[in-house]
Amino acid sequence: DTAVSQTPKYLVTQMGNDKSIKCEQNLGHDTMYWYKQDSKKFLKIMFSYNNKELIINETVPNRFSPKSPDKAHLNLHINSLELGDSAVYFCASSFLQGDGYTFGSGTRLTVV
Amino acid sequence: DAKTTQPPSMDCAEGRAANLPCNHSTISGNEYVYWYRQIHSQGPQYIIHGLKNNETNEMASLIITEDRKSSTLILPHATLRDTAVYYCIVRSADDKIIFGKGTRLHILP
Repeated sequence: DTAVSQTPKYLVTQMGNDKSIKCEQNLGHDTMYWYKQDSKKFLKIMFSYNNKELIINETVPNRFSPKSPDKAHLNLHINSLELGDSAVYFCASSFLQGDGYTFGSGTRLTVV
Repeated sequence: DAKTTQPPSMDCAEGRAANLPCNHSTISGNEYVYWYRQIHSQGPQYIIHGLKNNETNEMASLIITEDRKSSTLILPHATLRDTAVYYCIVRSADDKIIFGKGTRLHILP
């Protein structure tokens, strides 16, 4: 009954590959987010979706494409993976302008 | 860029109150102060948030100065499990939460 679940937990892949990370929340939240935490431990917002609609899109390469089939899911697809994409990616959800975010446990992506 | 400034690290003895300061001198009138913590490599965990008044929940207390330019997170009885990086964040009107570098809190046995 995990509130925000991400899969996979670990992902090791070669440069140039395309991969997806899935996120699901069962909290009834209307907004979902993707954050990237790099090797220096900085957490940076990438995207947010409210009721399947994109509302925040930070300066992220267009190789990254979020997809929200419904308000409980926000998947992250990455094309042509590069070494610099190696990081931990966190999904989160909240009510828009409501209480705090609930984060998933992260997906550690390693590009070799 | 993060709108908050925090000390990079702090120590606190187990069982004592841990007081974590945060400066947010450019905060706007409708922006909330949020606190999160991240234990090791886990996802950040929401702790508490407030606008003007002091707040308390089962985890912590949040003291916000009258001019709202700074705040303090108080963990009343710190335990070893409270060792984490604590982030003070100003949540902007466009719902963007920007994490700064946070404070690494070490609880000493």
